[in-house]
Amino acid sequence: GENVEQHPSTLSVQEGDSAVIKCTYSDSASNYFPWYKQELGKRPQLIIDIRSNVGEKKDQRIAVTLNKTAKHFSLHITETQPEDSAVYFCAASIKSNTGKLIFGQGTTLQVKP
Amino acid sequence: EAGVTQSPTHLIKTRGQQVTLRCSPISGHTSVYWYQQALGLGLQFLLWYDEGEERNRGNFPPRFSGRQFPNYSSELNVNALELEDSALYLCASSQGLAGAEQYFGPGTRLTVT
Repeated sequence: GENVEQHPSTLSVQEGDSAVIKCTYSDSASNYFPWYKQELGKRPQLIIDIRSNVGEKKDQRIAVTLNKTAKHFSLHITETQPEDSAVYFCAASIKSNTGKLIFGQGTTLQVKP
Repeated sequence: EAGVTQSPTHLIKTRGQQVTLRCSPISGHTSVYWYQQALGLGLQFLLWYDEGEERNRGNFPPRFSGRQFPNYSSELNVNALELEDSALYLCASSQGLAGAEQYFGPGTRLTVT
């Protein structure tokens, strides 16, 4: 069945360090992979996404990599800041087909000042 | 541009009752998605509506239903509420079948006692 595994469940880093969150998906037909950031009590915010025709995408301090062969993708945050502290969710989707996003279980990132 | 809006913010219901949650998508978006986020868990896909039609539903019982109106707003109805229905219900919208980016509303916190 469709499944997305996300690791680690919690991650604590010092301000300025890098953080990496990894996800593995099961459905090889998945072709769209967004990442959401959810601060406490707030809505999930789309922070970056990648489609299956590219291997890497960057947006300032955030980057996502995709390995289609291994069926995994990762979020990289460099030069972390306290405001990066939040729960991060990865997701996978068969674009324009089922509509639904299959979400990972989330990673709670704590950036210590 | 206004984001996705949801009402009400919070609801407290008794087991066995019925509830209706409402969602207004971003202007120009024709697809609306509903997700359930139980405490400490990831987001579980409930329903997808596009152009007034139900396009897909997740693994939830039939007492979870909804509809989409001609102005693309949507309602989620839950009948015969159970304690485990307590969760944050999130609505997201996108630009329809060809669009994959989903933008979330602030959610409705439902508590069933």
